[in-house]
Amino acid sequence: EAGVTQFPSHSVIEKGQTVTLRCDPISGHDNLYWYRRVMGKEIKFLLHFVKESKQDESGMPNNRFLAERTGGTYSTLKVQPAELEDSGVYFCASSQMTGPNTEAFFGQGTRLTVV
Amino acid sequence: QKEVEQNSGPLSVPEGAIASLNCTYSDRGSQSFFWYRQYSGKSPELIMSIYSNGDKEDGRFTAQLNKASQYVSLLIRDSQPSDSATYLCAVIDTGGFKTIFGAGTRLFVKA
Repeated sequence: EAGVTQFPSHSVIEKGQTVTLRCDPISGHDNLYWYRRVMGKEIKFLLHFVKESKQDESGMPNNRFLAERTGGTYSTLKVQPAELEDSGVYFCASSQMTGPNTEAFFGQGTRLTVV
Repeated sequence: QKEVEQNSGPLSVPEGAIASLNCTYSDRGSQSFFWYRQYSGKSPELIMSIYSNGDKEDGRFTAQLNKASQYVSLLIRDSQPSDSATYLCAVIDTGGFKTIFGAGTRLFVKA
């Protein structure tokens, strides 16, 4: 069974440019999460999809970030325009269910560097 | 106060020793607690989950939970150099939807 896959693994862009990150969850997992880890800080929740609907987007930093999950399969996270403080590792995770005792499986992450 | 707090380390232990990793959390309603291991450049990997007070053992790993003290720990017995990684404490929030992570503790096991 394929795990959670993320693309690209690394991205270096200039300030002001646009970057789109992609996450393919484990097949059959309705729940998809985006997290971000900036240098030296903890992994922070960004948002949660249940199928194609945004369940919780309280962690999105600002309106430069846009996440979509059309059709309830893969998800994209677009940053436009990118700023220096957006640099970090963006993780995607998926799970079959929500609630207690639910394990989330993580992708390898996308390392974003804004210069 | 951070939602999930861990000592960032690094924690350095000799091979064969017991490594003790600690974590406190702020949400009293949390019911699910996890320890993830993350090697450099890799994704977090779940190694232990615990849901009730007390100890839970799995091989060389023992997770301990004390809900009254809002405290979770992970003990690694007979530490090996391959255990060197960052260990992330994670808690599912009261609503049951979000996993909240601590900043992680870096562990070094010296051969």
